[in-house]
Amino acid sequence: DAGVIQSPRHEVTEMGQEVTLRCKPISGHDYLFWYRQTMMRGLELLIYFNNNVPIDDSGMPEDRFSAKMPNASFSTLKIQPSEPRDSAVYFCASSLMAGYNEQFFGPGTRLTVL
Amino acid sequence: GENVEQHPSTLSVQEGDSAVIKCTYSDSASNYFPWYKQELGKRPQLIIDIRSNVGEKKDQRIAVTLNKTAKHFSLHITETQPEDSAVYFCAADRGETGANNLFFGTGTRLTVIP
Repeated sequence: DAGVIQSPRHEVTEMGQEVTLRCKPISGHDYLFWYRQTMMRGLELLIYFNNNVPIDDSGMPEDRFSAKMPNASFSTLKIQPSEPRDSAVYFCASSLMAGYNEQFFGPGTRLTVL
Repeated sequence: GENVEQHPSTLSVQEGDSAVIKCTYSDSASNYFPWYKQELGKRPQLIIDIRSNVGEKKDQRIAVTLNKTAKHFSLHITETQPEDSAVYFCAADRGETGANNLFFGTGTRLTVIP
């Protein structure tokens, strides 16, 4: 397996634009997580899915953020409209089962909002 | 919710010396404590984990200890090498007893000086 795949790897956009980040989890993994990493706040869980269903989105900062998982092999994180404070590295991770399970992270998407 | 605190935020050691990173957590229901290593520009990767029914776990030069009564756990790296230089994150999770939701510490940047 190629591991967790994220695209794009880098995204530069202007304030107000819509941004869509994409993730393909490891095949067979039932859990998918979206994290945001910044120097100030470290690694923050934004939302996670179990079997394509959102379970906990309490970490989503604002209504400008939304996430979907239309099938077991694809998820998106959308920011609309984007703001400069959204600049961060966004990681997607997946794990096989609940609890006691390693989360495998993707390479991340570095987002810069000008 | 869970609150994980991690110290120190930065740590420099001479090659060959030991390094210790400490974390505390607040939720007594947490029972799974993984450690992730993130090299510069790379994704976080699991290096070791411990469950609450174990007080210590070793894997070559890396060991983790857990004190459930005091709600703290530590990462010990012996005979440090330059390739150990990275940011290390501790995390806590309820494991099987709750949602699959890792709460991360803020990270420790370890620098091993050759």
